[in-house]
Amino acid sequence: EAQVTQNPRYLITVTGKKLTVTCSQNMNHEYMSWYRQDPGLGLRQIYYSMNVEVTDKGDVPEGYKVSRKEKRNFPLILESPSPNQTSLYFCASSLSPPPGWDTIYFGEGSWLTVV
Amino acid sequence: QKEVEQDPGPLSVPEGAIVSLNCTYSNSAFQYFMWYRQYSRKGPELLMYTYSSGNKEDGRFTAQVDKSSKYISLFIRDSQPSDSATYLCAMSVNRDDKIIFGKGTRLHILP
Repeated sequence: EAQVTQNPRYLITVTGKKLTVTCSQNMNHEYMSWYRQDPGLGLRQIYYSMNVEVTDKGDVPEGYKVSRKEKRNFPLILESPSPNQTSLYFCASSLSPPPGWDTIYFGEGSWLTVV
Repeated sequence: QKEVEQDPGPLSVPEGAIVSLNCTYSNSAFQYFMWYRQYSRKGPELLMYTYSSGNKEDGRFTAQVDKSSKYISLFIRDSQPSDSATYLCAMSVNRDDKIIFGKGTRLHILP
């Protein structure tokens, strides 16, 4: 079954404590991306990756880092989380070049609260 | 003016009714129009997409694009409680271009 798996699904953390949200896909997709979804703002792209070791900024990259050392994994790193990064995060993978809207698969989301 | 405007709802309709969900946009260069469905606590999933103007039908769902009015619609016939979800419209200029998402409309189908 085609899957994009994110972990953790729910997390409450404190300001400044580094955290990583993992993302893994089993479809051998080249392209992966991270979005955040906020009430009233919709889905906004944070970072995307076109292939291993190739990443680029999306619309709202500030405060985030990513890495793509393996094709299947695309972790999102918050080095020093702040309350304004409280949000619902989605990892996505796609067969086509970004945004690959016709073949995009989203993970189930990670609810992150920074206090 | 925002690039893509979508009424957040919530929209509540009785089971069996025809539902109309809409988005307006400002960028006349958009050519690809998508509708995503997002159930509570789940990621969005692509429902339908259309290229340029016209209609596209898939079962109970019909997507309509009116480029002259910069207006797109998603119609759901014979609505079911399982259609209760948030529906996001999305658009891009080219197939490899950035997607711009609407904020989503929450839909409740009342049994």
